Amino acid sequence: EPEVTQTPSHQVTQMGQEVILRCVPISNHLYFYWYRQILGQKVEFLVSFYNNEISEKSEIFDDQFSVERPDGSNFTLKIRSTKLEDSAMYFCASSGPEKKYSNQPQHFGDGTRLSIL
Amino acid sequence: AQSVTQLDSHVSVSEGTPVLLRCNYSSSYSPSLFWYVQHPNKGLQLLLKYTSAATLVKGINGFEAEFKKSETSFHLTKPSAHMSDAAEYFCVVSDQIGFGNEKLTFGTGTRLTIIP
Repeated sequence: EPEVTQTPSHQVTQMGQEVILRCVPISNHLYFYWYRQILGQKVEFLVSFYNNEISEKSEIFDDQFSVERPDGSNFTLKIRSTKLEDSAMYFCASSGPEKKYSNQPQHFGDGTRLSIL
Repeated sequence: AQSVTQLDSHVSVSEGTPVLLRCNYSSSYSPSLFWYVQHPNKGLQLLLKYTSAATLVKGINGFEAEFKKSETSFHLTKPSAHMSDAAEYFCVVSDQIGFGNEKLTFGTGTRLTIIP
């Protein structure tokens, strides 16, 4: 069964540094998402992406965050200047392949654990 | 905004006994509801989804959930627990952003422990 793949599984970064989290969604999916889960807290929506642009973003997704689909297969989340509170598990998800008004479940990767020192 | 409330943060059952994980939702219209499971150090796996086709939804690994509009509930059940069911379970509601595009809102999760 096709899977969503995330790399790296664990990223340790100094505060203030830039970090890029990478995801390879399921190949024929159209919709891409990032979520995060701070330790001990809920999974929270960050951003959704369709047709090479952001569809919706949460309040968490401020100017320090950006997403990109650089080459038609990868989907990346960049944090420009990391803060301690960015430490969390980041999940990528994708859904599709149809563009229709019905529920196509989101398929999640195993996540990247980001630790900011 | 839509939301879900998971009533128990932790549930323990003995192997072979029934499992009940409770979820209530809040929605201004007919919601789309899901249960996801997260095993340690793994991603979120879809167990089942409700999309108004049938109120009793069957999922993977013997789990099922019943949508009860009058009670605004979507409880997850399994007749007989197995050791491999030990995991974190999330009740999830979706908000439609656009055609096929959705934002998921997660509950706080229920940790299921299976006693041998």
